Amino acid sequence: EDKVVQSPLSLVVHEGDTVTLNCSYEVTNFRSLLWYKQEKKAPTFLFMLTSSGIEKKSGRLSSILDKKELFSILNITATQTGDSAVYLCAVERETSGSRLTFGEGTQLTVNP
Amino acid sequence: ETGVTQTPRHLVMGMTNKKSLKCEQHLGHNAMYWYKQSAKKPLELMFVYNFKEQTENNSVPSRFSPECPNSSHLFLHLHTLQPEDSALYLCASSLPTVMETQYFGPGTRLLVL
Repeated sequence: EDKVVQSPLSLVVHEGDTVTLNCSYEVTNFRSLLWYKQEKKAPTFLFMLTSSGIEKKSGRLSSILDKKELFSILNITATQTGDSAVYLCAVERETSGSRLTFGEGTQLTVNP
Repeated sequence: ETGVTQTPRHLVMGMTNKKSLKCEQHLGHNAMYWYKQSAKKPLELMFVYNFKEQTENNSVPSRFSPECPNSSHLFLHLHTLQPEDSALYLCASSLPTVMETQYFGPGTRLLVL
């Protein structure tokens, strides 16, 4: 059974801090790892990672994958209150139909 | 505003009621998904449809019945639900051949009394 574990489950920081969110996984026939940001309801896509060691960046957010150690991290620098959300990690299996398994998510709260 | 819409946004129903959730996408995708998000639990995949054919049923109880009449529309028919079925139900869509980004709808917040 595919498994995705995120840590920490909850994190409270002050504006300007840098945070690192962790995601470890066990999946048969790994295809990709995805990060989503969920505010209020629907998750929005952040990154898709398929190769080890290649950092993906989008503004203050960056992410990297380690396929040997089976984990990924999501970094957010110079956090802002608008970064407050649940960050979801999901892994996708190599299969005929797309199948995502999600972790529990990390609840990030950024205080002014 | 995403290209995936869901109605209703909120639903309260009794255990003997029958209701349906609707999802519609205007992104030209051919794969659609139903997810359940319960409080303090990971997002759970329920059903997957590719080109209107159900390709995945993730051990979902029969009181949940999906229907995909065409590639743009997906329904989740609900009957004789239990209080523990109260959750956020999210619909998503993607391209089936380029299996990467799934685009999510806003969800339906369901409360079963």
